[in-house]
Amino acid sequence: ELKVEQNPLFLSMQEGKNYTIYCNYSTTSDRLYWYRQDPGKSLESLFVLLSNGAVKQEGRLMASLDTKARLSTLHITAAVHDLSATYFCAVDRLRASYGKLTFGQGTILTVHP
Amino acid sequence: EPEVTQTPSHQVTQMGQEVILRCVPISNHLYFYWYRQILGQKVEFLVSFYNNEISEKSEIFDDQFSVERPDGSNFTLKIRSTKLEDSAMYFCASSDLQEQFFGPGTRLTVL
Repeated sequence: ELKVEQNPLFLSMQEGKNYTIYCNYSTTSDRLYWYRQDPGKSLESLFVLLSNGAVKQEGRLMASLDTKARLSTLHITAAVHDLSATYFCAVDRLRASYGKLTFGQGTILTVHP
Repeated sequence: EPEVTQTPSHQVTQMGQEVILRCVPISNHLYFYWYRQILGQKVEFLVSFYNNEISEKSEIFDDQFSVERPDGSNFTLKIRSTKLEDSAMYFCASSDLQEQFFGPGTRLTVL
C-alpha cells in the first residue's frame, strides 16, 4: 500500500526566514504533486514533478524530487504572511491506478510578522 | 481558464437521507475522481471513473456510495443513506493524465 508522509505537520515561521517541508513516499510513483489549501477552500496546484532531479520554482517556493530516495522537498525562501496555508504533497501511479492521488497528512504553515 | 465546478457549495441533510453531489469536470478530460476531506484531516481518495465505469474505489466507497456520468458533462456522487460520519468536504477532480485539477468542493453536513 502506498503511504505518503509529510513532516513537519505544523510549522510556525517568522517572516523572512527559510524552511523546508519534507514528503516521503513508500513505493515507486509516477508523479509528485504539491498543493496549497487555504482554510475552507479547495486545493490549488503548485507543482507537478515528473522525474528524478526535477526542480521547479515559483516565487518564494521551490520543489524538488529525488525518486531514488522517494523524497520531495518544498523549500520556502524568505517567508511572507501570505504563504500561511496548509501544504499537501500527493503521489500517483498512472499505470497502476488511473491517476488516483494518495495524499500526505498536510503541513500547516503559519508565518508570523 | 477551464475549471472544475461543483454544486452545491454546502449541503445540510438529515441522517438517513440521500444526497447527490454534482460536478462538471473540465470538458476535454477523460478521468474523473471524488475525494473527501474530513475537517482538519488529509484528503482521501474515494473513487476514480474512466470510460463510463469505475476504475478504482477505496474502502470508504461502500454500497452506500455510487457515481454516475448521466450526460456528457456532469459527474455525480450519490450517498444513499447518509451517516453522521459522512460529514466532510467532498472534492471532485478531473484529469487528462498530465495534471489533476480540483473543484471548489461541497461541504456536506449530516445532522
